[in-house]
Amino acid sequence: KAGVTQTPRYLIKTRGQQVTLSCSPISGHRSVSWYQQTPGQGLQFLFEYFSETQRNKGNFPGRFSGRQFSNSRSEMNVSTLELGDSALYLCASSLQGNNSPLHFGNGTRLTVT
Amino acid sequence: AQKVTQAQTEISVVEKEDVTLDCVYETRDTTYYLFWYKQPPSGELVFLIRRNSFDEQNEISGRYSWNFQKSTSSFNFTITASQVVDSAVYFCALVKTSYDKVIFGPGTSLSVIP
Repeated sequence: KAGVTQTPRYLIKTRGQQVTLSCSPISGHRSVSWYQQTPGQGLQFLFEYFSETQRNKGNFPGRFSGRQFSNSRSEMNVSTLELGDSALYLCASSLQGNNSPLHFGNGTRLTVT
Repeated sequence: AQKVTQAQTEISVVEKEDVTLDCVYETRDTTYYLFWYKQPPSGELVFLIRRNSFDEQNEISGRYSWNFQKSTSSFNFTITASQVVDSAVYFCALVKTSYDKVIFGPGTSLSVIP
């Protein structure tokens, strides 16, 4: 079974630009969640989708948004990038949601200059 | 509010030593789930174990064992006879329901020296 796939692996953007990250979950997994990992703040929950519905959102500004498609693939978008958005963005999929074991992708390393 | 504390930021041990990673959590919920994840240098978090709040049985899986104690709100992880491949950052996590936020601890970086 293929694991969780995130694209791209690395991204360099400048302040003010926007970015879209993609995540393909494990086949059969209906829940996709996103996390931001930074040295200072650790792992922080961004949002979780289940069957195309956002069920929860972390404490991030509205510049961070996401969506899930009917095939469970998910995208997250960050608009008007700031230097502080530089981070490793991790996607995880699971069968039922966050209280199921999460299967993580390798992440997208975003650098904002 | 929910919180997960991993007081040990970094631990170094010599290969074959036993090591225990501490996890203390805070929650007012009676039903919740606890997890341990491993993040090797490659960056991908790997699921190790899940425990629900009603199951206080300790668990052993090979060289790994977990001690869950509700009385002290702790869910500690022990690696027996550590190996270099155990070098990674280990995260303890807490979540209430399937759609609630996952609260991760700050992580413990374990270095196993050959």
